Amino acid sequence: GDSVTQMEGPVTLSEEAFLTINCTYTATGYPSLFWYVQYPGEGLQLLLKATKADDKGSNKGFEATYRKETTSFHLEKGSVQVSDSAVYFCALSERDSSYKLIFGSGTRLLVRP
Amino acid sequence: NAGVTQTPKFRILKIGQSMTLQCTQDMNHNYMYWYRQDPGMGLKLIYYSVGAGITDKGEVPNGYNVSRSTTEDFPLRLELAAPSQTSVYFCASSPVSAGNTIYFGEGSWLTVV
Repeated sequence: GDSVTQMEGPVTLSEEAFLTINCTYTATGYPSLFWYVQYPGEGLQLLLKATKADDKGSNKGFEATYRKETTSFHLEKGSVQVSDSAVYFCALSERDSSYKLIFGSGTRLLVRP
Repeated sequence: NAGVTQTPKFRILKIGQSMTLQCTQDMNHNYMYWYRQDPGMGLKLIYYSVGAGITDKGEVPNGYNVSRSTTEDFPLRLELAAPSQTSVYFCASSPVSAGNTIYFGEGSWLTVV
């Protein structure tokens, strides 16, 4: 079945460093791809999404490009802040009748001042 | 601005007890979902519903039941609670369209002792 694989964390960076969190997927069709963020003690919030190949999702300085040829959707940010410390989840949405999300295991990001 | 509302936020159950997690959304979304998140893990789908009167199993349905009598409400019932059901539970909803955002509630922390 469909699946999502993320790099394991925690990822620890200094403020203003460059961030990459790798995400690859396996899917039989053409899924939509998402990054969700979870701050401590809170629910998940959509960070960005892409619905077709070569689309770039972006929000709050974060970017990810839907790469069909490498089945990847890596999350990047040019300069992280302490407030970016959270758990980041990559997910795909099947284009079947349910549109349910399949999540990766999450990557914890710690940004130090 | 209610969105997806879950109750209770925290609950401690004894082994063998039963309870219902309530979920309601005020966005008129047809699709609703229940996920569980175990410590350090991604979210796994328990049950989902594509509309009132229609429910279906996700990845990890054992030990749970759901009903969807209205568009707004999607309660999750735990029967005969077990320690393995200690988790954080998230309800979510989505409008009917591929690639659309899934909106999450704030979560319900359940401990079975």
